[in-house]
Amino acid sequence: DTAVSQTPKYLVTQMGNDKSIKCEQNLGHDTMYWYKQDSKKFLKIMFSYNNKELIINETVPNRFSPKSPDKAHLNLHINSLELGDSAVYFCASSQEVGQGGYGYTFGSGTRLTVV
Amino acid sequence: QKEVEQNSGPLSVPEGAIASLNCTYSDRGSQSFFWYRQYSGKSPELIMFIYSNGDKEDGRFTAQLNKASQYVSLLIRDSQPSDSATYLCAAFYGQNFVFGPGTRLSVLP
Repeated sequence: DTAVSQTPKYLVTQMGNDKSIKCEQNLGHDTMYWYKQDSKKFLKIMFSYNNKELIINETVPNRFSPKSPDKAHLNLHINSLELGDSAVYFCASSQEVGQGGYGYTFGSGTRLTVV
Repeated sequence: QKEVEQNSGPLSVPEGAIASLNCTYSDRGSQSFFWYRQYSGKSPELIMFIYSNGDKEDGRFTAQLNKASQYVSLLIRDSQPSDSATYLCAAFYGQNFVFGPGTRLSVLP
């Protein structure tokens, strides 16, 4: 009964490959996010979807493409992986009731290593 | 630019002491502030949030907000070794949270 689940937990791949990370939430939340946490532990927003609609698209290379087939799923596809893409990617969801509501529920993260 | 700043630490306190974690934010547009705890190799988990000026207490944790100074803090009373983690301050800006870089807390037995 995991609230926000991400797969895979670890991903090691070569430069130039294409990979996907999947995220699913069973909390009934309307909004889902992708955040990137670099080696210095800085969490930065990448994308946000509300009810399958893209609402935030930060300055992210267009090699990164989110896809939300329904409001419970938000996947992240990355083309032509580069060494600098190595990081931990967190999916999160929220049900905002004004002013940020009750905050995010995070998935367990996907540690991506590009070699 | 919306920024949240924290001292990266590490902040070391002895067991049983009060740990004080501080955070400042650049944009007055934020009205709500959240504290998350992240253990090494784990995902962030919400500790508490605060909307109004003043103090808010939850068990051993107290969040303090001063909007005039654009300053948020988290006090942990009776610190335990299990409190050793990175504490992330986050400001909500209408559509998403902006996170600070986190402060690493080490509670020494």
